[in-house]
Amino acid sequence: GQQLNQSPQSMFIQEGEDVSMNCTSSSIFNTWLWYKQDPGEGPVLLIALYKAGELTSNGRLTAQFGITRKDSFLNISASIPSDVGIYFCAGQLHKLIFGTGTRLQVFP
Amino acid sequence: NAGVTQTPKFQVLKTGQSMTLQCAQDMNHNSMYWYRQDPGMGLRLIYYSASEGTTDKGEVPNGYNVSRLNKREFSLRLESAAPSQTSVYFCASSEILASGSSYNEQFFGPGTRLTVL
Repeated sequence: GQQLNQSPQSMFIQEGEDVSMNCTSSSIFNTWLWYKQDPGEGPVLLIALYKAGELTSNGRLTAQFGITRKDSFLNISASIPSDVGIYFCAGQLHKLIFGTGTRLQVFP
Repeated sequence: NAGVTQTPKFQVLKTGQSMTLQCAQDMNHNSMYWYRQDPGMGLRLIYYSASEGTTDKGEVPNGYNVSRLNKREFSLRLESAAPSQTSVYFCASSEILASGSSYNEQFFGPGTRLTVL
């Protein structure tokens, strides 16, 4: 089945560092979403993007809907220990397709 | 307001055993979904229910059946469990089924971790 390519697969960073991750697809999407999954929990929506080129922030998180509609980016600034988890992108055209996830580890 | 609840949280089965995973939502949502999550593969849709009384196959439906018991509840059944069904199963719900250019946020339950020996 179709899946999105998400990179990096995992990141190990120091508290206070900025983080960037991205998602690419061979198909275009009308909506891009970014979810976070805490250990032992289900994914929770962080940011939703609805227009090509759109840049949206949610606190220290900023996400962009790529101009080609085939990619999206998530940045986290000044990381803190509670940012630990798995971040998933998801794209939607007729159905929702999830990326493979980026596992983020933050060291104090 | 519990959101989406799932039972059980953990389950171990032997190959060939059957079981039903339960899901309920208290947000009066019309649409419900079952996903499985495997390492390095993200979430894959097993079945979904656009509204009470309807169910449809998702990306990976083989080996599963579902029942939309009422508006609140959507169960997933494994008739004869196989080791390949070892996974974490998530139920989700949304106000309506997103299609085309519209999106409705999906709210996820905490998951059921299933191991089939």
